Amino acid sequence: KQEVTQIPAALSVPEGENLVLNCSFTDSAIYNLQWFRQDPGKGLTSLLLIQSSQREQTSGRLNASLDKSSGRSTLYIAASQPGDSATYLCAVRYPGANSKLTFGKGITLSVRP
Amino acid sequence: ETGVTQSPTHLIKTRGQQVTLRCSSQSGHNTVSWYQQALGQGPQFIFQYYREEENGRGNFPPRFSGLQFPNYSSELNVNALERDDSALYLCASSQPAAGSLHEQFFGPGTRLTVL
Repeated sequence: KQEVTQIPAALSVPEGENLVLNCSFTDSAIYNLQWFRQDPGKGLTSLLLIQSSQREQTSGRLNASLDKSSGRSTLYIAASQPGDSATYLCAVRYPGANSKLTFGKGITLSVRP
Repeated sequence: ETGVTQSPTHLIKTRGQQVTLRCSSQSGHNTVSWYQQALGQGPQFIFQYYREEENGRGNFPPRFSGLQFPNYSSELNVNALERDDSALYLCASSQPAAGSLHEQFFGPGTRLTVL
């Protein structure tokens, strides 16, 4: 069964801290992996997409890495700010006929001023 | 470039009723996927439409159905509503052309409450 796990479910850090959010997946034969941000009651904003052939992607203060062999991805947030407070979800797409994403439950991040 | 839009924003129904949710895909995208997100959970794949045909379905009963129109907009229909159908319904569009990243872009969602 293809499952995506994100632990812990919630995280609270002081402003300015560098932090790492973890994502693990059971089936390593992925096509790509996408990290999303979700504000309360809102839709998903795509942050980074990593193809299966890539090791990492960067956008501003965000860096996502991918280790297919161990079934893991991490999202690194540098110099966290209160505006980074949100739920972060990772989702995996497997090769196949459609674009179905398999999601983790997300990590709710709170950055304290 | 116009992003993914959904309507309505919020909806309240009672058990047994039927509901239709609407989605307009991002400009140039011909594939629309629907997801259900219960409170505190990750989104669950309902189905996908590509060029007006259903192209993949998750573990949802037949009372969840959909349509895609020639302009690639889409509808999600749910019959015989149950309280457990209360959730945020998300629409995502993508352009799965050869060589593309298949990156999915999500709309703001429709919050459905079933009383």
